Amino acid sequence: EVQLLESGGGLVQPGGSLRLSCVASGFSFGSYGMTWVRQAPGEGLEWVSGISGSRSNTYYADSVKGRFTISRDNSKNTLYLQMNSLRAEDTAVYYCAKGAHYNFYSNYVDYWGQGTLVTVSS
Amino acid sequence: DIQMTQSPSTLSASVGDRVTITCRASQSIGNWLAWYQQKPGQAPNLLIYTASNLESGVPSRFSGSGSGTEFTLSISSLQPDDLATYYCQQYSSSWTFGQGTKVEIK
Repeated sequence: EVQLLESGGGLVQPGGSLRLSCVASGFSFGSYGMTWVRQAPGEGLEWVSGISGSRSNTYYADSVKGRFTISRDNSKNTLYLQMNSLRAEDTAVYYCAKGAHYNFYSNYVDYWGQGTLVTVSS
Repeated sequence: DIQMTQSPSTLSASVGDRVTITCRASQSIGNWLAWYQQKPGQAPNLLIYTASNLESGVPSRFSGSGSGTEFTLSISSLQPDDLATYYCQQYSSSWTFGQGTKVEIK
């Protein structure tokens, strides 16, 4: 059974940093692209960042480019999202999501984690 | 960037009704489109991929069609368990989600 368990969310002040983690199990982690998708309170889904199975290719939404960094440790079956210079508009539930294929492009999500809430507020 | 527009934003229908949701892309995306269902308080769940392929375990009352710029998600006979918000997502060029369609049961 595929499981994705996010952690690291919480309350942070504007300008602060957080690191989200997602521990995966139930599949060959390094063989699949992974993604972070967020959802602001009462709003729709927004793609944040993606990474290929080998870690060699990373992708970012314009809204987070230069502030967020996606990475993965295939030996630990773990996906990360380092979030710096956080803003109030980054407040959202952040979902870790498994791609159906190896690459980011031409890919879609076949499994989602339950999400971790990030609140940016003073 | 490719924009995805869903209609309607909210839909109210009775149990047993056929329901159709439309998703339009701002440029051609071939058939690189997925549909997700998000029930209240839960993470999204994959329904359809590559425009018309039903994900394993998804009830057969769900179906998808379309290509290019116009796509539809249909529910052949609406059930109480289908109360949810539905999102389309293009994966032709980066990723973009539609704004969602909330389905309510009359």
